[in-house]
Amino acid sequence: AQSVAQPEDQVNVAEGNPLTVKCTYSVSGNPYLFWYVQYPNRGLQFLLKYITGDNLVKGSYGFEAEFNKSQTSFHLKKPSALVSDSALYFCAYRGSTLGRLYFGRGTQLTVWP
Amino acid sequence: EAGVTQFPSHSVIEKGQTVTLRCDPISGHDNLYWYRRVMGKEIKFLLHFVKESKQDESGMPNNRFLAERTGGTYSTLKVQPAELEDSGVYFCASSPGLPGDIQYFGAGTRLSVL
Repeated sequence: AQSVAQPEDQVNVAEGNPLTVKCTYSVSGNPYLFWYVQYPNRGLQFLLKYITGDNLVKGSYGFEAEFNKSQTSFHLKKPSALVSDSALYFCAYRGSTLGRLYFGRGTQLTVWP
Repeated sequence: EAGVTQFPSHSVIEKGQTVTLRCDPISGHDNLYWYRRVMGKEIKFLLHFVKESKQDESGMPNNRFLAERTGGTYSTLKVQPAELEDSGVYFCASSPGLPGDIQYFGAGTRLSVL
């Protein structure tokens, strides 16, 4: 079955340190991959997407993600974490250019001062 | 530009009652999606409208759920009668419908069935 997986329910990192939120995929063909973030009492906000082209994708708030076909991964990264980055992060894929998204379970990121 | 808005933000009802959730998409967006997140689990797709037509309703859990999109504008999701397992956060998203486009999400409606 096609899916995305977020192997970590929680990630804790100190402010100023680099952060990584992991996502792996099991999708046939060319996947369309997305990262969304949910801040407390807010809706999901789009961070970035990979459709085609460069494997390194840059998004909002200084986040980036690297599409790695050999490792079937699409990890979210940021060089220097901020306390305000603390939120729930979702990886998702879409099997075509339009249509439904399939989400991972989410990873709670906590950045402590 | 207004984003996707959902009403109410929170609803608490008793088992057996009826609840109607509303979603107003971004103006001009033909595509409207409903998703649901049950506590601690992944966000799951419910259905997809293109304008007023149901493009994909394969995620609807059972016939207690009824979604409509009047005139291709706002959408409602009715649960009748509600069961305990219907509790969760219901998200609505909209997109223009261009290849590779982004789905923009509302803040969600938290439904608690007691």
